[in-house]
Amino acid sequence: ETGVTQSPTHLIKTRGQQVTLRCSSQSGHNTVSWYQQALGQGPQFIFQYYREEENGRGNFPPRFSGLQFPNYSSELNVNALELDDSALYLCASSTGTGYDYEQYFGPGTRLTVT
Amino acid sequence: GQQVMQIPQYQHVQEGEDFTTYCNSSTTLSNIQWYKQRPGGHPVFLIQLVKSGEVKKQKRLTFQFGEAKKNSSLHITATQTTDVGTYFCAGSFVMRFGAGTRLTVKP
Repeated sequence: ETGVTQSPTHLIKTRGQQVTLRCSSQSGHNTVSWYQQALGQGPQFIFQYYREEENGRGNFPPRFSGLQFPNYSSELNVNALELDDSALYLCASSTGTGYDYEQYFGPGTRLTVT
Repeated sequence: GQQVMQIPQYQHVQEGEDFTTYCNSSTTLSNIQWYKQRPGGHPVFLIQLVKSGEVKKQKRLTFQFGEAKKNSSLHITATQTTDVGTYFCAGSFVMRFGAGTRLTVKP
């Protein structure tokens, strides 16, 4: 198992609500990436944070936002939830920026939007 | 935009048979990573390939990066039930995952 933790494990929200998901990086890792994984699909890159700054973003609307804290933990915020936001949200930490480093994934948060 | 395609989508094999999954990119990649996700689990890093034509082995798993750095393959020799899961390739420059190949193994 990796040292990456995520909370909560499961979450049920109503369309239009807002949600915050949390991720604690593996010790020594300064970069966190967030992914959305729909059922039966591969993870889709949302964004990456390095030293509290966004370091890259995938094709997700601005209602997906994030934060990274000085201890390298991170949050993913999603506003105005839509039914299609129902998915497994994964965070992954690594020791460097970009995509040349092994990523350690957390167990994920299963979000259901009704 | 950059696309990473994986084939096949599903593969069902008898235990002991070989298995291969292929990953193709529409653009040249600086590197490619392979991950395995067990049912109900999260992706776990297997390997990274960086050099053109690179071949790496991990026990029964053989990974190859194409000469043009636009395709890659993962080959498993003599599959075991512990190999069950979905295998993803992920290509830079933006970390794009393929849709994965789901492997099931019949004992």
